Amino acid sequence: ETGVTQTPRHLVMGMTNKKSLKCEQHLGHNAMYWYKQSAKKPLELMFVYNFKEQTENNSVPSRFSPECPNSSHLFLHLHTLQPEDSALYLCASSPGQGLNTEAFFGQGTRLTVV
Amino acid sequence: SQQGEEDPQALSIQEGENATMNCSYKTSINNLQWYRQNSGRGLVHLILIRSNEREKHSGRLRVTLDTSKKSSSLLITASRAADTASYFCATDDNQGGKLIFGQGTELSVKP
Repeated sequence: ETGVTQTPRHLVMGMTNKKSLKCEQHLGHNAMYWYKQSAKKPLELMFVYNFKEQTENNSVPSRFSPECPNSSHLFLHLHTLQPEDSALYLCASSPGQGLNTEAFFGQGTRLTVV
Repeated sequence: SQQGEEDPQALSIQEGENATMNCSYKTSINNLQWYRQNSGRGLVHLILIRSNEREKHSGRLRVTLDTSKKSSSLLITASRAADTASYFCATDDNQGGKLIFGQGTELSVKP
């Protein structure tokens, strides 16, 4: 248990659905991250928030929309996804961006787009 | 984008043997980290080595860093079946503290 909780753990959605992934941490961290992990590919950094401000958008399609209402919560809103978006979505947090420290990961949400 | 590359992609050994995984990266870094991932689960941090360090130990883990060659190695000694997992290196660059991961090494330790 790393202290980072992601819900749901599994999600199946149609291409026309709208759903949201949730990430929560109570570690007192100020930086939160979304990563995408597809089969046979490295983890891809999607978004970074530091002190609730988005500091990185790694050329992610607009059908993925992040939201960070406070330093403890991070959401990824999903809309009109494609089958190739099926992957494991991992949330992580760290004390702050660029502080030379480790990241703590949640267990991930396994997303299947049908 | 900067990315670590692990070598080998897959490694199969017997319990009790040592496992060595290598990582190469492209640009200057603040630190390099190793993570472990059990199948379909989240990543767990193993060890962090800063750019001014050359070697670090944690239990059965030994990590080396050669910044002149832009490479690192992770050694797991006296491996156990429970060490079976994927191992990733990640570099924290000096342009904003983003963690960029390599493709990982799948380690299988047979009892």
